[in-house]
Amino acid sequence: GAVVSQHPSRVICKSGTSVKIECRSLDFQATTMFWYRQFPKKSLMLMATSNEGSKATYEQGVEKDKFLINHASLTLSTLTVTSAHPEDSSFYICSAPEDGGLGGYTFGSGTRLTVV
Amino acid sequence: GNSVTQMEGPVTLSEEAFLTINCTYTATGYPSLFWYVQYPGEGLQLLLKATKADDKGSNKGFEATYRKETTSFHLEKGSVQVSDSAVYFCALRDKAGGFKTIFGAGTRLFVKA
Repeated sequence: GAVVSQHPSRVICKSGTSVKIECRSLDFQATTMFWYRQFPKKSLMLMATSNEGSKATYEQGVEKDKFLINHASLTLSTLTVTSAHPEDSSFYICSAPEDGGLGGYTFGSGTRLTVV
Repeated sequence: GNSVTQMEGPVTLSEEAFLTINCTYTATGYPSLFWYVQYPGEGLQLLLKATKADDKGSNKGFEATYRKETTSFHLEKGSVQVSDSAVYFCALRDKAGGFKTIFGAGTRLFVKA
């Protein structure tokens, strides 16, 4: 089936630095990519929706200047956590619809970010 | 708005026990319903889904039936294994919600040998 490849799987960075997370759709075109954040022992919170060639739509309360999303091609969406702080430490997961509708959505394997 | 409520965990069972994880939803449209599983340290995997009322999704011995009258999608398995230990998320998605996936809080399952 369709696969979304997410990298890196784990990253540790220093406070104040930026980290880029990539999600690539393999064997299908992802015109839309959803980005989620998961706090320890909590559910997934939708952060933003990216659409190829246009600006991302952010959920209420998510800082767009801190979490930069770029969806420059039909197979690649990136999330950059800028000026990271320890409170940004979390598990970030991307997801893309395989058929653009109510069918299958494929999730990346997630990125565990630790800011020290 | 759309929402999903699922039973709080953790749920601890012995191997071969019967599993039920309750899930109810609220939706403005006609959603598709999903169960996702997350094994320790991994991302989410789709376990099963149902796209319309009375549909039954099934996979790996798990099953859930889309009940529109009770707005429920309870997950069941007749005989759990240690390898089923994971976190299970009920979720919905519909066109009225912009195709965003709304997740329940997750239920952690521990299966003892």
